[in-house]
Amino acid sequence: EDQVTQSPEALRLQEGESSSLNCSYTVSGLRGLFWYRQDPGKGPEFLFTLYSAGEEKEKERLKATLTKKESFLHITAPKPEDSATYLCAVVNSGGSNYKLTFGKGTLLTVNP
Amino acid sequence: DVKVTQSSRYLVKRTGEKVFLECVQDMDHENMFWYRQDPGLGLRLIYFSYDVKMKEKGDIPEGYSVSREKKERFSLILESASTNQTSMYLCASSRQIGNQPQHFGDGTRLSIL
Repeated sequence: EDQVTQSPEALRLQEGESSSLNCSYTVSGLRGLFWYRQDPGKGPEFLFTLYSAGEEKEKERLKATLTKKESFLHITAPKPEDSATYLCAVVNSGGSNYKLTFGKGTLLTVNP
Repeated sequence: DVKVTQSSRYLVKRTGEKVFLECVQDMDHENMFWYRQDPGLGLRLIYFSYDVKMKEKGDIPEGYSVSREKKERFSLILESASTNQTSMYLCASSRQIGNQPQHFGDGTRLSIL
């Protein structure tokens, strides 16, 4: 069974204080790993897809990286508007390849 | 931009009622999904549809059914609502299975009294 574990559960940063969120996964053949951002009362908003170990994607202050066992979402010089829950999800390459398996998320709070 | 629209943001129903949640996507995506999101449990897949009139059960289909009569529209039906179905319901769509992201609507917060 596919599993995704995100850490920490919650993270408080000061504005400008860079940090990383972790997503550890167990999957029988990775087809894709997805990062989403979710604001309170809204649906998840797609950020990145990573397909293979060594791949990196960047968008503004966010950078996602992938190894064979985990993914990191690096946040450089965060701003208060980066406050949200960040979700990681995987899809396997087997028979249930339609299904996203989500982690429980990391709640990021950036204080001004 | 992909737009997934859910018909209601908030809904309050009574135990035993038949409840319909509607979702429409405007990007001609083949695949549509229904999830529920609960604190401490994360997002869980209820049903998935890969074509008109085609559906597959997800992880927690009990007490739910779905309907996809048109490509752009996917409905979730609670046959006889119960209090344990109080939750946030999220609809998503994707162009391809697996290697393409799913795009989500803003959700329907459903309360069953």
